[in-house]
Amino acid sequence: DAKTTQPNSMESNEEEPVHLPCNHSTISGTDYIHWYRQLPSQGPEYVIHGLTSNVNNRMASLAIAEDRKSSTLILHRATLRDAAVYYCISDTGKLIFGQGTTLQVKP
Amino acid sequence: DSGVTQTPKHLITATGQRVTLRCSPRSGDLSVYWYQQSLDQGLQFLIQYYNGEERAKGNILERFSAQQFPDLHSELNLSSLELGDSALYFCASKGSGYGYTFGSGTRLTVV
Repeated sequence: DAKTTQPNSMESNEEEPVHLPCNHSTISGTDYIHWYRQLPSQGPEYVIHGLTSNVNNRMASLAIAEDRKSSTLILHRATLRDAAVYYCISDTGKLIFGQGTTLQVKP
Repeated sequence: DSGVTQTPKHLITATGQRVTLRCSPRSGDLSVYWYQQSLDQGLQFLIQYYNGEERAKGNILERFSAQQFPDLHSELNLSSLELGDSALYFCASKGSGYGYTFGSGTRLTVV
C-alpha cells in the first residue's frame, strides 16, 4: 500500500484558507487520492477524492500535482467546525489510515 | 445520517465473552469494510467483504471473524474478549464512483 506523509498538526485562523499538504510519492498510477476527516468519537467523513485533475466540491478543493507525488486539500474559509483530524489516503481497494493532520482552527 | 447503520452504539461486556457487531451498508453498496480504533493505535483496517465474499484482510485477530450476508449486511464477531479489545469499531461501505461512507461506530468496552 502506498504510504502517505502528512504533517502531524496545523493551525489556522477562522475564515482564512487552509492548505493541508500530503506526500504520496509511491502511489500507483491508478489509485485515487482520498481525503477524510474525523471528529473525536465520530466516524471518518468523506471530504473529497481525485485521480489526476483538480477537484472541487462543496466542502473543499483538491489540488493534485502533475507527477501525482503530492496533493493539497484546500479549505477555502476555515470554520471552527473544520477542526478535525484530516487523513490523506491512496485508495488501493481499501483505505489504510495513517496518523493524519490535526487541524486546529482559532477564532 | 451517513446511510451506513451500525448497531449497537454501545456495548459493555466482560472479559472472555463473545459479541456481535452489525453493519448495514448504504443502499446499493456491495463492499463492506471493518475498522478498529483504539486510543493508542489509530484506525486499523480489519477486513473487507464484497458481495458476500472476503476480499482483503488486515490486522484482524484470529479471535475475530466477520461475514457478509445475502442482503449485504455484515457482522463482526469478537470472541474471548480481552481488555485490550475495548475500542470503537467502524464499518464503511463503498459503491462505484463514490468515496467510502462510514457509520457512526460501535463503542465496545470490555470490563
